[in-house]
Amino acid sequence: DVKVTQSSRYLVKRTGEKVFLECVQDMDHENMFWYRQDPGLGLRLIYFSYDVKMKEKGDIPEGYSVSREKKERFSLILESASTNQTSMYLCASSILTGTRIYEQYFGPGTRLTVT
Amino acid sequence: DQQVKQNSPSLSVQEGRISILNCDYTNSMFDYFLWYKKYPAEGPTFLISISSIKDKNEDGRFTVFLNKSAKHLSLHIVPSQPGDSAVYFCAASEGSGNTGKLIFGQGTTLQVKP
Repeated sequence: DVKVTQSSRYLVKRTGEKVFLECVQDMDHENMFWYRQDPGLGLRLIYFSYDVKMKEKGDIPEGYSVSREKKERFSLILESASTNQTSMYLCASSILTGTRIYEQYFGPGTRLTVT
Repeated sequence: DQQVKQNSPSLSVQEGRISILNCDYTNSMFDYFLWYKKYPAEGPTFLISISSIKDKNEDGRFTVFLNKSAKHLSLHIVPSQPGDSAVYFCAASEGSGNTGKLIFGQGTTLQVKP
């Protein structure tokens, strides 16, 4: 079974703090994604990566950055946390080729609260 | 602007009856569509998909229908079971090469009553 793990289930941070969210997948997937899920807005893509050290902006990259130094690990960084970044953060991975490229495997999510 | 829309935030059905979840999209370049299911405190899991060259795909109790002219897809669950109670997201691919990028709808919460 594909396993995508996220470093924390719940996180509480203060405004202005630098926040790191870690994601690790064990299926040797090339693609990795970071989403945030908010009520009424669904899942919105923040950043994705299709290879080590490669990254592309998603739909809402402002206030975030990412790092992918190893194939299995994709980190989301909130440079200076703000209250409007309080959300559920979901990491996902998928293979690179074929129709199964669209079948993303998700981690359990990190509920981040910024106070 | 939301390219993938699920206009019904919630749906309640009786156990054993059919559940129909709907999804509309605006981008005619979308070429692959998927449904994901999400339980509370878990990440979404892939449920079923359909290519734009088909109009129907079936997997057990789950069937997805695609109407390209109407830019509409639907997920049918027959018969519905209490364990199907979850949030359902439809998603579409932009056809943008090998990035695997998806656009998700807002989600529909399905409640199946025993």
